[in-house]
Amino acid sequence: GQQVMQIPQYQHVQEGEDFTTYCNSSTTLSNIQWYKQRPGGHPVFLIQLVKSGEVKKQKRLTFQFGEAKKNSSLHITATQTTDVGTYFCAAGRGSTLGRLYFGRGTQLTVWP
Amino acid sequence: NAGVTQTPKFQVLKTGQSMTLQCAQDMNHNSMYWYRQDPGMGLRLIYYSASEGTTDKGEVPNGYNVSRLNKREFSLRLESAAPSQTSVYFCASSNNRDSIYEQYFGPGTRLTVT
Repeated sequence: GQQVMQIPQYQHVQEGEDFTTYCNSSTTLSNIQWYKQRPGGHPVFLIQLVKSGEVKKQKRLTFQFGEAKKNSSLHITATQTTDVGTYFCAAGRGSTLGRLYFGRGTQLTVWP
Repeated sequence: NAGVTQTPKFQVLKTGQSMTLQCAQDMNHNSMYWYRQDPGMGLRLIYYSASEGTTDKGEVPNGYNVSRLNKREFSLRLESAAPSQTSVYFCASSNNRDSIYEQYFGPGTRLTVT
């Protein structure tokens, strides 16, 4: 079954608006990763979060890991057309750290 | 470094035919993975190999077999293809680098079963 729930499934924004995607798990996670997939491309790693309450930034992207390590979010400030793609969260669990459980992704469309 | 390579890029099969998808990585990674991606379903793990000589089932292993030929290569075989196996298949590899388990993906194989 679906181990990690990700919402929304689709998001359409005008260039310059902000965007957020959320990931939730019913169980405590060892870590959470975020990937971006451009249309027609393959997933590309963005970041990994490990610590409770961790916040990391990459330019206009802000990643958060919840205090209970059961949820995470990716926020993009002032979207650009280059942000178009599908963003996936992927959860790691303690028993097999390398194996990931992917959310279904949020497909972001940015119109100028 | 080429990273992760996959062959073929595209394939059309008839129901009942068999084929093997090839994957190779040149990053000396221990772990390798096969995923399938269907619209709205995200990436679902078919099989993975935590290290050379070991393989384990993922979420959707039925209808597939794998071989970890050596540390570099991990192949996925469809013995009798079915239309439900129409999908995009991604191979990935990873290593534990400072406790970061980043996965590197290949370009994918787009498979259609008619």
